[in-house]
Amino acid sequence: NAGVTQTPKFRVLKTGQSMTLLCAQDMNHEYMYWYRQDPGMGLRLIHYSVGEGTTAKGEVPDGYNVSRLKKQNFLLGLESAAPSQTSVYFCASSLHTSLSYNEQFFGPGTRLTVL
Amino acid sequence: KQEVTQIPAALSVPEGENLVLNCSFTDSAIYNLQWFRQDPGKGLTSLLLIQSSQREQTSGRLNASLDKSSGRSTLYIAASQPGDSATYLCAVRLPYNQGGKLIFGQGTELSVKP
Repeated sequence: NAGVTQTPKFRVLKTGQSMTLLCAQDMNHEYMYWYRQDPGMGLRLIHYSVGEGTTAKGEVPDGYNVSRLKKQNFLLGLESAAPSQTSVYFCASSLHTSLSYNEQFFGPGTRLTVL
Repeated sequence: KQEVTQIPAALSVPEGENLVLNCSFTDSAIYNLQWFRQDPGKGLTSLLLIQSSQREQTSGRLNASLDKSSGRSTLYIAASQPGDSATYLCAVRLPYNQGGKLIFGQGTELSVKP
């Protein structure tokens, strides 16, 4: 059981370049999330998905797109990177039942620098 | 709008001391509250999850309490060890009719000195 994995671990982009961050989980979780973590701002939700084929906006969705074509994968895309998107990106997943929200499990993070 | 605050931002204690980390939230309408640990350069590890109907949860040397009416949670760490040094984050989950999202505090950076 690998849990939640993220690729790549590090990336440096130039302003205007595009890239995709991949998140994969092998726990058969329905819900998946993308967060960014910045000094003094804490963790903020970018987008999330409540199941295969569905996505929704979080607190800070501008400049990002996501896709959930397969239940185990959640992709985060930056179409035209900006220096303000320099951050550490975390993916998380959780198993939800009709009775309660279960805990979120986090990946190790992707450190992105936009020059 | 739900806001989560953790005070202090940083805490340094000698090994063996019992300590309490604080988390407060502005809206008592929460689904649950989760405490995480984050080591430098690493992801978040879930420590304890308290449902809104519960008052506390325990795991080993950790005990988390929840007082929804006052908007407070505490994480108690007994007999602290240098290996407990990390940043501790609390997060509240909004009710389903508000999107069910996690709102994080900014964390308390704990340093346990040998």
